[in-house]
Amino acid sequence: GEDVEQSLFLSVREGDSSVINCTYTDSSSTYLYWYKQEPGAGLQLLTYIFSNMDMKQDQRLTVLLNKKDKHLSLRIADTQTGDSAIYFCAETPMDSSYKLIFGSGTRLLVRP
Amino acid sequence: NAGVTQTPKFRVLKTGQSMTLLCAQDMNHEYMYWYRQDPGMGLRLIHYSVGEGTTAKGEVPDGYNVSRLKKQNFLLGLESAAPSQTSVYFCASSYKAGGPYEQYFGPGTRLTVT
Repeated sequence: GEDVEQSLFLSVREGDSSVINCTYTDSSSTYLYWYKQEPGAGLQLLTYIFSNMDMKQDQRLTVLLNKKDKHLSLRIADTQTGDSAIYFCAETPMDSSYKLIFGSGTRLLVRP
Repeated sequence: NAGVTQTPKFRVLKTGQSMTLLCAQDMNHEYMYWYRQDPGMGLRLIHYSVGEGTTAKGEVPDGYNVSRLKKQNFLLGLESAAPSQTSVYFCASSYKAGGPYEQYFGPGTRLTVT
C-alpha cells in the first residue's frame, strides 16, 4: 500500500543546514513534493521533483531522490528562524493522479 | 485574489449536531479537495471533486458528505457529528490533478466535537 514516513522533529541552529528525510513505499509515484505549513496556516508547496530525477536545486532548497531506496530528502541551506514550520513530504501515485499521500510532517525548530 | 478561503475558522459542536463547512476558490480551478489533519497523521483525503457537479470519495469519507453545485464552492457536511471528527479541516484546489500541479490550501477550520 501507499505509505509516507517522516521523523517528527528536527532542531537546528540558525545559519546551519537542515536535512529533512522522508521514505515512501509506492515505487510507481510520479511526483514527490515538499509542502510547508506555518503555524495556524494551510500548506504551501515548496518544491517538487519528478520521479526520473535524482536532484533538484531551488535557491536554498535542495531535493535529493534515491528511487532505489525510496528515500527523499529536503536540504535547507543557511536555515533562518523564518524556516521554522512543519514540512510535509507527499507523493502522487501513478494509478491515482488525484491523490496526494502525505507523511505525518516534520516539525523544524530553528534556534537563534 | 483571495485564493482559497474557508468558513468558519473555528467551531465547537455537540455530539449529534450537524454543520457545513464552506470552501471557496477564485482561481477557476477544476479540482477541489477536503482533507483532515490529525496530530501525527499528516493530511488524509476525505472527498474530492474533479469538476462542478461531481464528487468522489477519498481515503476517509465515512460520516461526511460533500457537494459541488458551483465550480468555485465545495461544501463539506457533517450530518451527525462525533468526537472522532474533532480535527482541523483543510480545503484545497488545483488547476489539474496529478503532478506537478500545485494544490492550493485554505487556512483551515478547527472543529471540536464534545
